[in-house]
Amino acid sequence: NAGVTQTPKFRVLKTGQSMTLLCAQDMNHEYMYWYRQDPGMGLRLIHYSVGEGTTAKGEVPDGYNVSRLKKQNFLLGLESAAPSQTSVYFCASRVPGELFFGEGSRLTVL
Amino acid sequence: KNQVEQSPQSLIILEGKNCTLQCNYTVSPFSNLRWYKQDTGRGPVSLTIMTFSENTKSNGRYTATLDADTKQSSLHITASQLSDSASYICVVRGVYGQNFVFGPGTRLSVLP
Repeated sequence: NAGVTQTPKFRVLKTGQSMTLLCAQDMNHEYMYWYRQDPGMGLRLIHYSVGEGTTAKGEVPDGYNVSRLKKQNFLLGLESAAPSQTSVYFCASRVPGELFFGEGSRLTVL
Repeated sequence: KNQVEQSPQSLIILEGKNCTLQCNYTVSPFSNLRWYKQDTGRGPVSLTIMTFSENTKSNGRYTATLDADTKQSSLHITASQLSDSASYICVVRGVYGQNFVFGPGTRLSVLP
């Protein structure tokens, strides 16, 4: 049982490049989230989804797009990466009473 | 604005000692409060979840307390082990909306 799996785990981008982070969960959860974690700050919500085909903006959505075409997958895209997007990104899925996190994806934008 | 504050920012203790981490929040109305442990380079893992009506909850050597009137919670770690070295994150969820409000965490280092 893999739980929540994120790929890639590490990536270095140049300013202006694009990329997609993939989150996959095998627990059949409806709710999925993308967060970013920066030093000295709590995790901040980027986008979330309450079910297949639905997405919504979180606290810091600018510069990111998401898609939830399949229930088990939640994709986070950066169309034109900026140095301010250097961060560790966490995906999570949820059932009532519990959040399950992936291992994180460390992104560096030069 | 809904906020969660944690103290201390970092803490160093010797193996076998006890410690207490603090969490203050302004989220209202309040639904539940969670404590997570995050090892370096890993994702957060749940330790406890407490609702409005619960004052204390234990998970092995971890005991969380909640005072919903003063909007404070604490996490007490008993007989610390080297493996307790991690960041401990307080997370509060309000009654409305999908968002969880995360504290910045307390970085605990347990030394031999």
